Amino acid sequence: DSGVTQTPKHLITATGQRVTLRCSPRSGDLSVYWYQQSLDQGLQFLIQYYNGEERAKGNILERFSAQQFPDLHSELNLSSLELGDSALYFCASSVDSPSTDTQYFGPGTRLTVL
Amino acid sequence: AQTVTQSQPEMSVQEAETVTLSCTYDTSENNYYLFWYKQPPSRQMILVIRQEAYKQQNATENRFSVNFQKAAKSFSLKISDSQLGDTAMYFCAFIQTTSGTYKYIFGTGTRLKVLA
Repeated sequence: DSGVTQTPKHLITATGQRVTLRCSPRSGDLSVYWYQQSLDQGLQFLIQYYNGEERAKGNILERFSAQQFPDLHSELNLSSLELGDSALYFCASSVDSPSTDTQYFGPGTRLTVL
Repeated sequence: AQTVTQSQPEMSVQEAETVTLSCTYDTSENNYYLFWYKQPPSRQMILVIRQEAYKQQNATENRFSVNFQKAAKSFSLKISDSQLGDTAMYFCAFIQTTSGTYKYIFGTGTRLKVLA
């Protein structure tokens, strides 16, 4: 158990819908990262927050948005869902920068868009 | 643009033997960090080993070690005394921070199967 929690574990929805994925980082970690892993693919970095502020942005679609709240939990919002958005979404956390601190990954949320 | 290439989609190794997974990357920067992550069937991502580009000494963590060749932009993972629990997908990852800008790039993975 990495100490990073993600809810829900599984999510099934229809095209055009909007969903919210939630992540609670390890105690003491200020950075939260979101990744997308499509079937049998590597991880695609989406976005990073540090202590409530956006720090880095990767290949995140405009239909996707995220935020980190004062209690440091984070939410990833996916809207106007398409079939291609079906994937495993990982949240990770670290104390500060991943170059100096280990990223701990949550168990992921599997999103299925029908 | 930075890229990470894992040229071996699948590999297998006999239990107790040694196996090496390859990873090459491309960057024009000098300061970066390299990682190997393991993803077992549970899908949990687990850090195996990390290497700072400014360090010449190869990182080692128990049965796992890397061969970091900075000039060749190569970062291979060696697993010694392979165990059944090493069966997993292994991802090579590159993290770079330049002037406050961060890039996180993962390879497409190598599926390793340890045979009894």
